[in-house]
Amino acid sequence: DAGVIQSPRHEVTEMGQEVTLRCKPISGHNSLFWYRQTMMRGLELLIYFNNNVPIDDSGMPEDRFSAKMPNASFSTLKIQPSEPRDSAVYFCASRAGQSNSPLHFGNGTRLTVT
Amino acid sequence: GENVEQHPSTLSVQEGDSAVIKCTYSDSASNYFPWYKQELGKRPQLIIDIRSNVGEKKDQRIAVTLNKTAKHFSLHITETQPEDSAVYFCAASTQSPNAGNMLTFGGGTRLMVKP
Repeated sequence: DAGVIQSPRHEVTEMGQEVTLRCKPISGHNSLFWYRQTMMRGLELLIYFNNNVPIDDSGMPEDRFSAKMPNASFSTLKIQPSEPRDSAVYFCASRAGQSNSPLHFGNGTRLTVT
Repeated sequence: GENVEQHPSTLSVQEGDSAVIKCTYSDSASNYFPWYKQELGKRPQLIIDIRSNVGEKKDQRIAVTLNKTAKHFSLHITETQPEDSAVYFCAASTQSPNAGNMLTFGGGTRLMVKP
């Protein structure tokens, strides 16, 4: 099992540019989560999908952020336009079932917006 | 929603000593409490978890205790080693109104084990 796969590992972009982060969950997992991690705010849940359907997006900071899950094996998090305060590590995580099963994290994407 | 408080934010111990990290939660309906270890530049990884039907769970040098009445749970690491140095996160499950459970994370504890 390759685990949760995220790309790119690092992204450096200029303010105002569009950024797209990608995630492939573990095969068979039906829940997918996007988290943002910063020193100041820790791990913040941005959005959560269950069976490809967005369940809770209350953590999405602004309309500049959007997420999609077109199928069970792929999700994207898009920021448009990006701002320097969006600089953070973005983690994708997946979990099997709706019960209290462990959350598996990807290696994250370190985003730097200059 | 759920609120998870974690203390201390930093913890420095001598190699071989024990380390204890404590968390409190607010939602009495929470019933799943995992702990994650995050090494510098890496992803959080699950090290141990406990469900509300038990009060304690051990796995070699790590143990977790849960007090549902007081709504707090703790991570205990015995015989600490330098490789235990990392940031540790506690979490509590929160019931989503539509489906499944979400995890709410504590703020993290940076553990430093001095050789």
